[in-house]
Amino acid sequence: IAGITQAPTSQILAAGRRMTLRCTQDMRHNAMYWYRQDLGLGLRLIHYSNTAGTTGKGEVPDGYSVSRANTDDFPLTLASAVPSQTSVYFCASSDSIGGSGANVLTFGAGSRLTVL
Amino acid sequence: GQNIDQPTEMTATEGAIVQINCTYQTSGFNGLFWYQQHAGEAPTFLSYNVLDGLEEKGRFSSFLSRSKGYSYLLLKELQMKDSASYLCAVIDSNYQLIWGAGTKLIIKP
Repeated sequence: IAGITQAPTSQILAAGRRMTLRCTQDMRHNAMYWYRQDLGLGLRLIHYSNTAGTTGKGEVPDGYSVSRANTDDFPLTLASAVPSQTSVYFCASSDSIGGSGANVLTFGAGSRLTVL
Repeated sequence: GQNIDQPTEMTATEGAIVQINCTYQTSGFNGLFWYQQHAGEAPTFLSYNVLDGLEEKGRFSSFLSRSKGYSYLLLKELQMKDSASYLCAVIDSNYQLIWGAGTKLIIKP
């Protein structure tokens, strides 16, 4: 089934630990995104990639890094996790630059991260 | 600043009609999306409006008035499976997607 796979589904980790959330898509979409979703707030863009080899900062990039070595994979790394990074993280993709226009975002199932 | 306002929660009865409003103040406008998100799941696309007027898609319709900075999602013949959060998102002048916090819709039998 075509779509986006995220791993892990959920994770609890201690503050200060390094964590990588994995995201793989099989739709050959050029653009990929990482969002965090917190109660009472809209989805907030962390980082994005318009095409393989390029990345950009979103609204809340601090404490996170990404890489885009190929079209399919877009991992998100927390170098040293802090409790404020407790959230649900969604990876998404679209087939145009910026996730804008009439191009629809396809989301992964999400990764629930708890930092203690 | 940019802002999208939606009611936090709404309750409706199975079989009825409900209208979920979204007002926006953004730097420019290049389109508006509605997404549905069931609890614990990913958002999924419902509708897209870029011109004024009503777009109908089965039981769901979405309306846009650019001059008023206003949209609504209309759900007819409500079913229990329509219980979900509904997210409004606007594309601004920089082609960035600005999301509302979502409206949690509770359907009662």
